[in-house]
Amino acid sequence: NAGVTQTPKFQVLKTGQSMTLQCAQDMNHEYMSWYRQDPGMGLRLIHYSVGAGITDQGEVPNGYNVSRSTTEDFPLRLLSAAPSQTSVYFCASSKQGGGNGYTFGSGTRLTVV
Amino acid sequence: SQQGEEDPQALSIQEGENATMNCSYKTSINNLQWYRQNSGRGLVHLILIRSNEREKHSGRLRVTLDTSKKSSSLLITASRAADTASYFCATEGNSGYSTLTFGKGTMLLVSP
Repeated sequence: NAGVTQTPKFQVLKTGQSMTLQCAQDMNHEYMSWYRQDPGMGLRLIHYSVGAGITDQGEVPNGYNVSRSTTEDFPLRLLSAAPSQTSVYFCASSKQGGGNGYTFGSGTRLTVV
Repeated sequence: SQQGEEDPQALSIQEGENATMNCSYKTSINNLQWYRQNSGRGLVHLILIRSNEREKHSGRLRVTLDTSKKSSSLLITASRAADTASYFCATEGNSGYSTLTFGKGTMLLVSP
């Protein structure tokens, strides 16, 4: 199994550009989440989904959109990139009930200039 | 806002010594989880302890949970250089589906 796959691994954007961070999992997990990690801040939840067609906001959702059309995919869209969105982004998935913890992708390092 | 707070922020020990990290949280939880993150990599799940459990072991890891004090500790015994990483606690709430809320982490350095 590939687990959780994130693409791209690195990205540089100019202020105002838009892009989509891809996340795919092959474990048939119901739950998927997007986090951002900033120095000294730990991980903060952006958006999450409990199943196909269902999404909800986390702690820091502004400037980001998500959709969940399939169980496998959970893309994160930056609508108009800002320097404050420079961060490392992690996608994670888990089974309903979460008894085995979350599986994380390897991350996307995004720089907005 | 952060739910968990790890202590200490950084810990430096020699190989073979034990490493203890603490986590405090604020609200009622369903479970508490510990993750490891090697530099530049994703997080790896280490161990999960449910709110009705007090202690759990996995290999060289020992986790305790005290719900009355809203705190947990992670003990790594006989540390190795390969244990060098950041360690995060994360809590899952107890109201329906609840997401994971992470602390800021403890950076562990194990010197040969």
